Order: sequence, then C-alpha cells, then structure tokens
Amino acid sequence: GAVVSQHPSRVICKSGTSVKIECRSLDFQATTMFWYRQFPKQSLMLMATSNEGSKATYEQGVEKDKFLINHASLTLSTLTVTSAHPEDSSFYICSARDPKNTEAFFGQGTRLTVV
Amino acid sequence: KQEVTQIPAALSVPEGENLVLNCSFTDSAIYNLQWFRQDPGKGLTSLLLIQSSQREQTSGRLNASLDKSSGRSTLYIAASQPGDSATYLCASSGSARQLTFGSGTQLTVLP
Repeated sequence: GAVVSQHPSRVICKSGTSVKIECRSLDFQATTMFWYRQFPKQSLMLMATSNEGSKATYEQGVEKDKFLINHASLTLSTLTVTSAHPEDSSFYICSARDPKNTEAFFGQGTRLTVV
Repeated sequence: KQEVTQIPAALSVPEGENLVLNCSFTDSAIYNLQWFRQDPGKGLTSLLLIQSSQREQTSGRLNASLDKSSGRSTLYIAASQPGDSATYLCASSGSARQLTFGSGTQLTVLP
C-alpha cells in the first residue's frame, strides 16, 4: 500500500513553546490530508482537513490559531502546535488518501509531551 | 452526524480460535468502510477496505463484511495468533472523505 511518513515520532517540549509535526505522502500525491488526535485508550478524533494550496477546515472545538496547518505541496502537510500546554499532550496522527483507490493511509503518529 | 460503535471493547481468546469483531454505524450513506489495526503507541495499519457497493473483502486470515442497510460490518479473524494482539478500529468514510472511527476493540490472543 501507499506510504505516509510522519515526523517526529516523539517530542517533548516545554510549556509555551511551539512544535511542528510533518506528514508526507511518499509515493503518491495527496491534495487532502487529515489530522487526528488520540487520547489514551480512546479512538481517533478528527481535528482538521488539510487542503493543498488553501486553508484548512477545522472541526468544531478545534482552535485554528493554536493548531496551525500548512499544506504547501501535494506531498507535505504540517501541523504546528503553538504555545503548547500540558493539556495538548497527546498522540497526533496524520492521514492521506491514495487517489487511485480511495484507501486511507496513516502516518506512524507523533507522541507529544508538554512539560 | 455519523456515529460508529464497536463491540466488544476488549476480547481475550486462546490461540487458534476464530473470532468476530463487530462494528455498527448510524448513517448508512457511507462511501466506504475500512478496518485498521493499531499496535500500542503506533500509527494505524490498514487491513481491509470495503467500498459501499461491496459486501465483503478478504485478505489472508481476515474477512470483512459490510451490510449497509443494517449499518453493520464485521471483521472475522481465522485461526488467531498471538501476533494478532492489537486494537482493531473500524472507520466509515462519508462524502467528504474524512473518517469517523469507532472506539476500537482491544484483542488479546493468548499463547
């Protein structure tokens, strides 16, 4: 299947700093990517839909000024958690669809810990 | 708003058993349904994708079925192995292509 690469896999940062997470589709072009958040023992919750060349669409309750999404190319979307706080600690996962068969593929996830 | 439910939340079986995981969804107007596997602290691995026009898909020891009219999907695992231990997630895809996930079934296969 198609490959989606997410980096970094783990990051620890201090409160008040910003963290950038990258999501790349390695062998296909993705005009749309999705960012999810997963708390321990819970399922994935969609945060936003990242659209290449345009603004991201955020789900209700997700602060767009806190979770900045940039989708500057057909193979890269970034999520920046700005002014991170301990409550932002979570597992963040990106996803992209292979346009050939509509199957969704996921990155390896990023474990963010804010101390 | 689509809601996806998975039953049971956790399941423990001895090695070699066949088992069924259940997934139900409230809105039958889905584009497709996908089953994933998630190992602890890892991302998701796609197992099977069933298009809305299909009834089932098979891959190795895995078979997934889809009944849109009743809003149900099942994942059948044959001859389970300890390596199958993981959390299994189902997700429906709507017209906007984003996925709505169930809460998952945590499977433990005992050697």
